[in-house]
Amino acid sequence: GDSVTQMEGPVTLSEEAFLTINCTYTATGYPSLFWYVQYPGEGLQLLLKATKADDKGSNKGFEATYRKETTSFHLEKGSVQVSDSAVYFCALSDPGRDDKIIFGKGTRLHILP
Amino acid sequence: DTAVSQTPKYLVTQMGNDKSIKCEQNLGHDTMYWYKQDSKKFLKIMFSYNNKELIINETVPNRFSPKSPDKAHLNLHINSLELGDSAVYFCASSLGRTRSGNTIYFGEGSWLTVV
Repeated sequence: GDSVTQMEGPVTLSEEAFLTINCTYTATGYPSLFWYVQYPGEGLQLLLKATKADDKGSNKGFEATYRKETTSFHLEKGSVQVSDSAVYFCALSDPGRDDKIIFGKGTRLHILP
Repeated sequence: DTAVSQTPKYLVTQMGNDKSIKCEQNLGHDTMYWYKQDSKKFLKIMFSYNNKELIINETVPNRFSPKSPDKAHLNLHINSLELGDSAVYFCASSLGRTRSGNTIYFGEGSWLTVV
């Protein structure tokens, strides 16, 4: 079945460091891919998305490129800030299935000042 | 203006009680969801409604019963609460089915603690 695998956390970085959170997926069809972010005590917010191969989603300095050949959607940011500390979820929705958005297990990110 | 709002935000209750969590969205969406997030942050869908019609009903105990009086509301009623029901419950909505790549919007969560 469909699944999303993302790197285990927590990830701890210093401010202004480069960030990569890996995400790979398996799907029967051609899924749409998402990154959601959950700040402490809040719900999930869409960070970015890509709906077809080679699309790049970007928002707030974060980027992720839909790589069909490697079934990946890695999240990157060139210079992280303390305010980026949160839990990040990679997710997919598969048009070949019903309305289940499949989430990865989340990666907790700590940014040190 | 809260897009997806759910109440209560915090709920502490005893085992065996019956409780409800209400959810409303003002985005004009036609599809609504309930997700459960456990202590390890793992998110799992419970139910999905499209235009008040049940679309997804995961392997959730019968003690959980969703009710959608209209497209803007999806309430979750839980009977005979158990310790294992303690979690954060998220309501969400989307315009159209998520299998078409539509974005899902989440509420802020309801923290349920069963003691």
